[in-house]
Amino acid sequence: GQQVMQIPQYQHVQEGEDFTTYCNSSTTLSNIQWYKQRPGGHPVFLIQLVKSGEVKKQKRLTFQFGEAKKNSSLHITATQTTDVGTYFCAAPDRGSTLGRLYFGRGTQLTVWP
Amino acid sequence: DVKVTQSSRYLVKRTGEKVFLECVQDMDHENMFWYRQDPGLGLRLIYFSYDVKMKEKGDIPEGYSVSREKKERFSLILESASTNQTSMYLCASHERRGFGGYTFGSGTRLTVV
Repeated sequence: GQQVMQIPQYQHVQEGEDFTTYCNSSTTLSNIQWYKQRPGGHPVFLIQLVKSGEVKKQKRLTFQFGEAKKNSSLHITATQTTDVGTYFCAAPDRGSTLGRLYFGRGTQLTVWP
Repeated sequence: DVKVTQSSRYLVKRTGEKVFLECVQDMDHENMFWYRQDPGLGLRLIYFSYDVKMKEKGDIPEGYSVSREKKERFSLILESASTNQTSMYLCASHERRGFGGYTFGSGTRLTVV
């Protein structure tokens, strides 16, 4: 099945520093999704990227989809303590219309005040 | 907004018990999923269903079964609970033809003693 590799597994930053998590696949992806899970919470859908080279922004969050549609990144500018959580990327099963996603293992972000 | 409701937030069961985890969604989504989440292992798919009475095995179906008799309800069954099934269980739903991500329930923290 589809595999998405996500790095780093953990990231500790001081408040105000930037943060980036990366998601990579060996195969071309039809789209990629990003989720955030707060400590003690459940994953919440953030965004979906579909087009090659697509860049989308949500306030301090910037999402990119690579030109070859094999990688993606989530960048947070000037982190805040509210950004704490685990960020997951997810991609659909190739060749299937059933809607199954494959999730990366996530990047756990800790922000020190 | 779509709501996905899991019947219990916390459960404690004994080894060998048959355990039922219930999930209900209120937006007529075709797809429903059961994941388990363990530290360092991310989200692992147990089973999913793409229609009433239809099911597909995920990556770790052993020791589990599922039931989907009505579109809005997807049940996960632990036939004979074991301690290695102690975990956080997350249900999700998704409109297969829609543009958007999964909606997750709040999770059930199951402890098997």
